[in-house]
Amino acid sequence: ETGVTQSPTHLIKTRGQQVTLRCSSQSGHNTVSWYQQALGQGPQFIFQYYREEENGRGNFPPRFSGLQFPNYSSELNVNALELDDSALYLCASSLREKRQRFFGPGTRLTVL
Amino acid sequence: DQQVKQNSPSLSVQEGRISILNCDYTNSMFDYFLWYKKYPAEGPTFLISISSIKDKNEDGRFTVFLNKSAKHLSLHIVPSQPGDSAVYFCAASVYGNYGGSQGNLIFGKGTKLSVKP
Repeated sequence: ETGVTQSPTHLIKTRGQQVTLRCSSQSGHNTVSWYQQALGQGPQFIFQYYREEENGRGNFPPRFSGLQFPNYSSELNVNALELDDSALYLCASSLREKRQRFFGPGTRLTVL
Repeated sequence: DQQVKQNSPSLSVQEGRISILNCDYTNSMFDYFLWYKKYPAEGPTFLISISSIKDKNEDGRFTVFLNKSAKHLSLHIVPSQPGDSAVYFCAASVYGNYGGSQGNLIFGKGTKLSVKP
């Protein structure tokens, strides 16, 4: 059984640029969610996808967007990067009816 | 406004003794609680969970206690081992559609546990 994987591991961008982060769900999982973890904070919910549609969103602006593909892999896109977007971005997969989330190792994004 | 609070940023315990990590919440709609452990450069790993219909759940060395009237939960690790040294996150969720989402997790800021040999 393959766990949740994310790419890239680290990324450095400059303010105003755009970034795409990728996630492969754990085998058999149909729901993917994304979280942002700033330094010294707990993970904060960005949004969740089920059957390729967004079915929930946290308090993040529209420049944060995502996709879920038929194979349940997912992308997180962030436009017009700001310095405060520097954080660890975590992808989590699950079965829709289950409460537990399984997290990937994260992508560390640094915005200069 | 933090709905899940872990008021102790760090905790140091001697190997073999009990570690007690605490978590408070404010939203009475939360009905499911989880503890995750996180090592540096890794994602959070699920440890143990508890439904609001229970007040205790055990899994090996880990026990979670829930006090609904006090809106408080705690994680007990007995006996503590050096490999338990990590950051522990408390998380809570609401069943069904809440805030436009199905069961997304709301995390505390974490408690860094250090278990000394």
